[in-house]
Amino acid sequence: ETGVTQSPTHLIKTRGQQVTLRCSSQSGHNTVSWYQQALGQGPQFIFQYYREEENGRGNFPPRFSGLQFPNYSSELNVNALELDDSALYLCASSFLAGNYEQYFGPGTRLTVT
Amino acid sequence: GNSVTQMEGPVTLSEEAFLTINCTYTATGYPSLFWYVQYPGEGLQLLLKATKADDKGSNKGFEATYRKETTSFHLEKGSVQVSDSAVYFCALSERNDMRFGAGTRLTVKP
Repeated sequence: ETGVTQSPTHLIKTRGQQVTLRCSSQSGHNTVSWYQQALGQGPQFIFQYYREEENGRGNFPPRFSGLQFPNYSSELNVNALELDDSALYLCASSFLAGNYEQYFGPGTRLTVT
Repeated sequence: GNSVTQMEGPVTLSEEAFLTINCTYTATGYPSLFWYVQYPGEGLQLLLKATKADDKGSNKGFEATYRKETTSFHLEKGSVQVSDSAVYFCALSERNDMRFGAGTRLTVKP
């Protein structure tokens, strides 16, 4: 069984640029959630995708957007990067939307300068 | 809205000491509750879970009981090891998102 993988591991961008982060879900999982974890804080829910549709969203602006593909992998896109977007971005997959445990990838560390 | 409040750290213990990390929650319905652990430089790993009131989750010597009457899900371990040093997150899940506490950093000294 393959776990959740994310790419890239680290990324440095300049304020105003756009970034795309990628996530491959664990085998057999059809739901992907994205989280932002600022240094020293708990993860904050960005959104969730289930069967290629957005299935819930946290308190993040529209410049945070996502996609889920037929193979259940997912992308997180962030436009017009701000310094405060610097964080660890975590992807988590689960079998069904709802109250099921989520399995996390190692994260992508984004630094915005 | 739903939220989780965790005991603030950091917590420093000697090996074989007893561990308690407090977690309380606020929820409108009947959430599932989780403890996740994050080792340095890694993502989150599920440690244990409980899906309904009075359920006890356990794993690797850690335990937590879902207490609806006190809205709590405290993490305990009878004898910690140096390898337990990590950040521990309490979380709840209801509907489509998971809410995390701020995390408690545990350091275990030999």
